[in-house]
Amino acid sequence: GENVEQHPSTLSVQEGDSAVIKCTYSDSASNYFPWYKQELGKGPQLIIDIRSNVGEKKDQRIAVTLNKTAKHFSLHITETQPEDSAVYFCAASWNSGTYKYIFGTGTRLKVLA
Amino acid sequence: GAGVSQSPSNKVTEKGKDVELRCDPISGHTALYWYRQSLGQGLEFLIYFQGNSAPDKSGLPSDRFSAERTGGSVSTLTIQRTQQEDSAVYLCASSYEVGKLFFGSGTQLSVL
Repeated sequence: GENVEQHPSTLSVQEGDSAVIKCTYSDSASNYFPWYKQELGKGPQLIIDIRSNVGEKKDQRIAVTLNKTAKHFSLHITETQPEDSAVYFCAASWNSGTYKYIFGTGTRLKVLA
Repeated sequence: GAGVSQSPSNKVTEKGKDVELRCDPISGHTALYWYRQSLGQGLEFLIYFQGNSAPDKSGLPSDRFSAERTGGSVSTLTIQRTQQEDSAVYLCASSYEVGKLFFGSGTQLSVL
């Protein structure tokens, strides 16, 4: 079945350094790839997304890249700040009659001051 | 309200009891999802509602789980005869546009 693998499961970086989280997906029909940030006690919040017709998208300190051939996509956070500390989830989705998402297992990012 | 509202925020119940979890989506959002998040795990899809179409129930783990959405708005997830393995955070999300899910803060369910 459809699957999304996410790595690493935990990531610690020094404040100001960059963080990269990687995901791979199994279904080549996937065409939409969002990233969510989940802070403690809250629901996930969409931070950036990319569609299959685009290779890269950037929003201030956050960027996402997509390699359709290899079926993987990555989240890049530059100049990390303590408030970036959270759990990040990638997801892949496609339109199969209903719009279903498959989420990765999450990456706990710790930004050390 | 401006966001997706879920109630209760926390629910403690005894094994074997039934529970109902409620979700108020953002007004105007036609799609509504339920997910389950176990401790330290990812988001497990449970059920999806879109407008007046038949729901996608393919993620419900057993027949003890059911959900309904009345009037295309509020949704209730019901778990009958709860088991300890049902303990998790149950997240609701709504969407008005393909691809952009807005999540509530979830209901933390603890089955003793």
